[in-house]
Amino acid sequence: DVVLTQTPVSLLISLGGQASISCRSSQSLVHSNGNTYLHWYLQKPGQSPQLLIYQVSNRFSGIPDRFSGSGSGTDFTLKISRVEPEDLGVYYCLQRTHNPPWTFGGGTKLELK
Amino acid sequence: EVQLVESGGGLVQPGRSLKLSCAASGFTFSNYGMHWIRQAPTKGLEWVASISPSGGSTYYRDSVKGRFTISRDNAKSTLYLQMDSLRSEDTATYYCAKDPTPWGQGTLVTVSS
Repeated sequence: DVVLTQTPVSLLISLGGQASISCRSSQSLVHSNGNTYLHWYLQKPGQSPQLLIYQVSNRFSGIPDRFSGSGSGTDFTLKISRVEPEDLGVYYCLQRTHNPPWTFGGGTKLELK
Repeated sequence: EVQLVESGGGLVQPGRSLKLSCAASGFTFSNYGMHWIRQAPTKGLEWVASISPSGGSTYYRDSVKGRFTISRDNAKSTLYLQMDSLRSEDTATYYCAKDPTPWGQGTLVTVSS
């Protein structure tokens, strides 16, 4: 199975600051159809995960442009600029290129400094 | 609005059974593969099972194979998860999900004597 390694485990960021989260895969996430099915989710306290970014770099509907995704192959990054209080929670990367099973990163908790 | 609403969770003794339901609305349910994902208390996300749009193909994580059964009723736009021979390690919030979004709000399953 694919293993996704997310770093860091936690982030302390000041309001208005920038955060960067890495997600590294144990194998390439490029599907045979050429797409890369690497998504990013945010789980706010007490809520279910919500989709932020799909297929590496596409912001989902309603997601502000403060969120951006990049990467290719096995290395992916989520960046959050101008951090706001509503951005706090746990961020997860998910791959479904090689499925089943879906595999998730271990999560990154974003907290305010 | 696309919506998924889980039900059926609760407290159950080890070795007993429980059946979860997920009512879908706002999209053509029969066109989409559906999934169950779980989250143990204070832990990360773990894919459990998936089912194809017709229900003809199902997939499970190794730890639930032979104990859990995913199914769907496209006429009722409802997804199910039959959980038999439950273990304490199955204790988690169970989310149903349409790929890649949305996820339901989750239903808590607690396996304890």
